[in-house]
Amino acid sequence: GIQVEQSPPDLILQEGANSTLRCNFSDSVNNLQWFHQNPWGQLINLFYIPSGTKQNGRLSATTVATERYSLLYISSSQTTDSGVYFCAVIQGAQKLVFGQGTRLTINP
Amino acid sequence: EPEVTQTPSHQVTQMGQEVILRCVPISNHLYFYWYRQILGQKVEFLVSFYNNEISEKSEIFDDQFSVERPDGSNFTLKIRSTKLEDSAMYFCASRFLRGANQPQHFGDGTRLSIL
Repeated sequence: GIQVEQSPPDLILQEGANSTLRCNFSDSVNNLQWFHQNPWGQLINLFYIPSGTKQNGRLSATTVATERYSLLYISSSQTTDSGVYFCAVIQGAQKLVFGQGTRLTINP
Repeated sequence: EPEVTQTPSHQVTQMGQEVILRCVPISNHLYFYWYRQILGQKVEFLVSFYNNEISEKSEIFDDQFSVERPDGSNFTLKIRSTKLEDSAMYFCASRFLRGANQPQHFGDGTRLSIL
């Protein structure tokens, strides 16, 4: 099956810093979603982005489907951005295949 | 904005007992899913459900698991005889259309603790 690799596994930053999270996938995909899992365990849907670029406030995402990767950008980080960021893809069938996540810690 | 609703938020059960996790998908959605996340690990697919039948299931989804849509609004996951390793966060998700480019919408999860 398709492999989804996220990097880095852990990222520690100071408040106000910018960050880039990467998601590589091993085959072509129909769908890609980015999620933020907050400290309470909730999965917050950030972007649905099978290709192209989208922006939502301080967050933006770019997927280059032909090169099989997606990037999530977080600008001017806040402590509330802390948590685990997951990339998930669908290839043909319906199920989402998740990466292992990037644990982001924003220190005040 | 419509939401996927899951109840209870936390369930504590003795090993060997049956447990039912409940979900109310978004009302006009047609495809329903259960995922599982063991503490500290990634989210894993369990099962997808469409038109009142299972459309795909993972190796995790063995005979101890079953899903049902008992009425027009609820979607349930039943574990018949729970094991310690069933302790995890269980997420329900729904999607409007199959094949078309539509995101899956997730509920807040049910944290299941098996004692």
